[in-house]
Amino acid sequence: KNEVEQSPQNLTAQEGEFITINCSYSVGISALHWLQQHPGGGIVSLFMLSSGKKKHGRLIATINIQEKHSSLHITASHPRDSAVYICAVRRSQGNLIFGKGTKLSVKP
Amino acid sequence: DTGVSQDPRHKITKRGQNVTFRCDPISEHNRLYWYRQTLGQGPEFLTYFQNEAQLEKSRLLSDRFSAERPKGSFSTLEIQRTEQGDSAMYLCASSIGTGGDEQYFGPGTRLTVT
Repeated sequence: KNEVEQSPQNLTAQEGEFITINCSYSVGISALHWLQQHPGGGIVSLFMLSSGKKKHGRLIATINIQEKHSSLHITASHPRDSAVYICAVRRSQGNLIFGKGTKLSVKP
Repeated sequence: DTGVSQDPRHKITKRGQNVTFRCDPISEHNRLYWYRQTLGQGPEFLTYFQNEAQLEKSRLLSDRFSAERPKGSFSTLEIQRTEQGDSAMYLCASSIGTGGDEQYFGPGTRLTVT
């Protein structure tokens, strides 16, 4: 079993829909990251969180440390949100353990 | 552009050849990480440096792989005697401090071994 599990693996949505991507982990962590990867490989950090909830524009990330679970929400989704979203947990040494990613496609 | 650059962006090589990749982190960043990502998978940790010291290496880093960060600035990752299984995207990331901070990723080097 992978140390970081994401669901769903693939997600297709219509423009305007509310989207949720889930992440569960099984190891001790110092923080959790949500990352966005566009075709071509470039990875951009969306959130880094160790407790509670963070919001940036239409994106919201939450984490429940006791349940070892995090969610990424996208409100009013747009075709430009189409990308792979990756959950990664940070170990105490600093290196990241990544989930396999969720491929999101938002149709106009 | 995150400020982390990698060179080359693409490399095609024949099996058995040696290849070297370079990563230039954000200038004041002490930490530098190397990750590898194969198609359809999330990235996997390879190794990291705190300034010029290599502090941890993954079991994925076989003895054909070597990484350096000689002056605590740029880093190189060399793969000797490449195999087809080495085909992947090699990602570099950097962060300030001693590991508790956000990591900034480079665009990656895509390696294809034929």
